[in-house]
Amino acid sequence: ETGVTQTPRHLVMGMTNKKSLKCEQHLGHNAMYWYKQSAKKPLELMFVYSLEERVENNSVPSRFSPECPNSSHLFLHLHTLQPEDSALYLCASSQVEGGNYGYTFGSGTRLTVV
Amino acid sequence: GENVEQHPSTLSVQEGDSAVIKCTYSDSASNYFPWYKQELGKGPQLIIDIRSNVGEKKDQRIAVTLNKTAKHFSLHITETQPEDSAVYFCAAMINYQLIWGAGTKLIIKP
Repeated sequence: ETGVTQTPRHLVMGMTNKKSLKCEQHLGHNAMYWYKQSAKKPLELMFVYSLEERVENNSVPSRFSPECPNSSHLFLHLHTLQPEDSALYLCASSQVEGGNYGYTFGSGTRLTVV
Repeated sequence: GENVEQHPSTLSVQEGDSAVIKCTYSDSASNYFPWYKQELGKGPQLIIDIRSNVGEKKDQRIAVTLNKTAKHFSLHITETQPEDSAVYFCAAMINYQLIWGAGTKLIIKP
């Protein structure tokens, strides 16, 4: 375990379903991130919560909705997804300021939309 | 904005040989350059990093070099072993956010 836990590890959902991905970090970090990783594509930053401020990537469709109730938990709510949304969704955390900038990633949720 | 290019996309080396992966960045304000290793079924894991005030850093078989003038940095792995097979990502930090390279798949041939 890296200190960042993602659940579930695998998820298969239909296009009309609603589901949520969960991320929890035990490192005392103050920033959390959602990334999408598709085959043969770079890591795509979706959302950032940093120092309790949400920074949103404007190119993310509204069918993805993040929620960060506190600095340790991050959710990604999914609804009416498309098959092209199938990917590995990675959560990461980091400490903004203080000199230690490294991101710690979870193991990801492998999402398949059918 | 910042752009990071990573080469090669695939690298195949004989076990025991060295491997070098190179990245270039565009924004001279970038101040932190980590390298991540991603094994199958896992998230990326930080393996080494370097700050803009340092030219080289080493940790056992891996090293990173930074040329600020040319705006490029490289990962060097010596005496490669089968467990080095993975995808490696470079990144550059600006305003506390990482901009990622596209990744290099490293294959170690027995």
